[in-house]
Amino acid sequence: QVQLVQSGAEVKKPGSSVRVSCKASGGTFSSYTISWLRQAPGQGLEWMGGIIPMFGIPNYAQKFQARVTITADKSTNTAYMDLSSLRFEDTAVYYCARDMAAAGPGWFDPWGQGTLVTVSS
Amino acid sequence: EIVLTQSPGTLSLSPGERATLSCGASQSVRSSYLAWYQQKPGQAPRLLIYGASRRAPGIPDRFSGSGSGTDFTLTISRLEPEDFAVFYCQQYGSSPPTFGQGTRLEIK
Repeated sequence: QVQLVQSGAEVKKPGSSVRVSCKASGGTFSSYTISWLRQAPGQGLEWMGGIIPMFGIPNYAQKFQARVTITADKSTNTAYMDLSSLRFEDTAVYYCARDMAAAGPGWFDPWGQGTLVTVSS
Repeated sequence: EIVLTQSPGTLSLSPGERATLSCGASQSVRSSYLAWYQQKPGQAPRLLIYGASRRAPGIPDRFSGSGSGTDFTLTISRLEPEDFAVFYCQQYGSSPPTFGQGTRLEIK
């Protein structure tokens, strides 16, 4: 049974960067894709990108390509999402989730508990 | 990218009633690569259905999905009190994967 546990809430200034971590337990971490998604307050869900730890090659949504970096550390079964040049509109709950497709984006199960990132001056 | 439009925005029903939620796609979803999620306040989304009609492990059989092409439906046959939440559809037939804006299912 795969479980994903994320790091805690963050408050950041505009223009700064944030790192959110996602530690996996159960399953074989290296072999499945971890995706990152976000949900702004009262809004829907948005896919940001993903990575297969075995290959270490990320895949980003075009919207976030210039500002997001997704990495994975196989030794600690942990994935990371770094978002730079933060803006007020980046305030959201950020989720990691296992992507169930063997290649390319698929459906997501399970999800981490979510990490609230607040961008405030 | 494929735009998903869910209807209705809000559905008000009573426990025991049948719920029908719709998800329309701006273009055909390849191979019926569509999923449904349930999200309760303060919680992460939970997978209900994938492949348009396949129930995820542990999901009660009162939840069912159907459809193909551009029109998909999530049906809850007899609503239980714990079913009231927001439901999202998601397509993964083309990149990037996209979500609908959600349907809020509330107690009447």
